[in-house]
Amino acid sequence: GAGVSQSPRYKVTKRGQDVALRCDPISGHVSLYWYRQALGQGPEFLTYFNYEAQQDKSGLPNDRFSAERPEGSISTLTIQRTEQRDSAMYRCASSPRLDSYEQYFGPGTRLTVT
Amino acid sequence: QKEVEQNSGPLSVPEGAIASLNCTYSDRGSQSFFWYRQYSGKSPELIMFIYSNGDKEDGRFTAQLNKASQYVSLLIRDSQPSDSATYLCGRPPRTRDDKVIFGPGTSLSVIP
Repeated sequence: GAGVSQSPRYKVTKRGQDVALRCDPISGHVSLYWYRQALGQGPEFLTYFNYEAQQDKSGLPNDRFSAERPEGSISTLTIQRTEQRDSAMYRCASSPRLDSYEQYFGPGTRLTVT
Repeated sequence: QKEVEQNSGPLSVPEGAIASLNCTYSDRGSQSFFWYRQYSGKSPELIMFIYSNGDKEDGRFTAQLNKASQYVSLLIRDSQPSDSATYLCGRPPRTRDDKVIFGPGTSLSVIP
C-alpha cells in the first residue's frame, strides 16, 4: 500500500516568505509526527497529533512554526517569515497506534531558505 | 545533557563480525526504547523496540536494555555491508503530552 507522502519534496524560498509543508499519512494511521533533521543528526521532534488533536508542540522552535491536522488525516506544517536557519529536512511520520514507537516516515521535504 | 546520547562514530567492523551500538539516557522515567536504521539519504525505519530489562532478539539483531545503568544497546551479528547505515536510538512519548526523543545516531560501516 501507499506509504507516507510529503510535498513538496524540495522547496527553495526567500527569507521572509511563508512556506507550507504537507504530509499525507498512511490511511488509517491515528498519530502523525513532525520532525526536523539536520545533516548528520537524528530527527528533532517538533510536534505530533493523535487524530486531529495536537498533543505536544513544545518542540516547535518558536511561534513562526505551526501545524494543523484539522480532519485527523492530512497535516500541514507552516513556517512564517522564514529565516536561513530554518533550512533543513522536514520529516513527517505516521503511526497506527497512539503515542507509539512504531512510526513510518515519509521521504521528507528539503527546505532551503536563501 | 541531552536526554539520549550516542557515539556518532563512525563505527567500522569487518563483514561477519558483531557490531555493538550503544545508547545512554538520562531520564530514569523512560521505560521503553526503540532503534531505527537510516540509510544515507533515506528515511528512518524501525528495527527494534524494547521495554523490559534484558535482551530481545530478532534475527541477527539483539536489543539490550539495562535500566539500572541507563543504557540501551543494539548488537548486530554476522554484520553485512548492507547493514552500513546510521542507527538511531530513542524513546516514544511517555505520556499523552510528551515528546519523542531520538538520539543523534551512530554511523556504522561494515567493511567487506
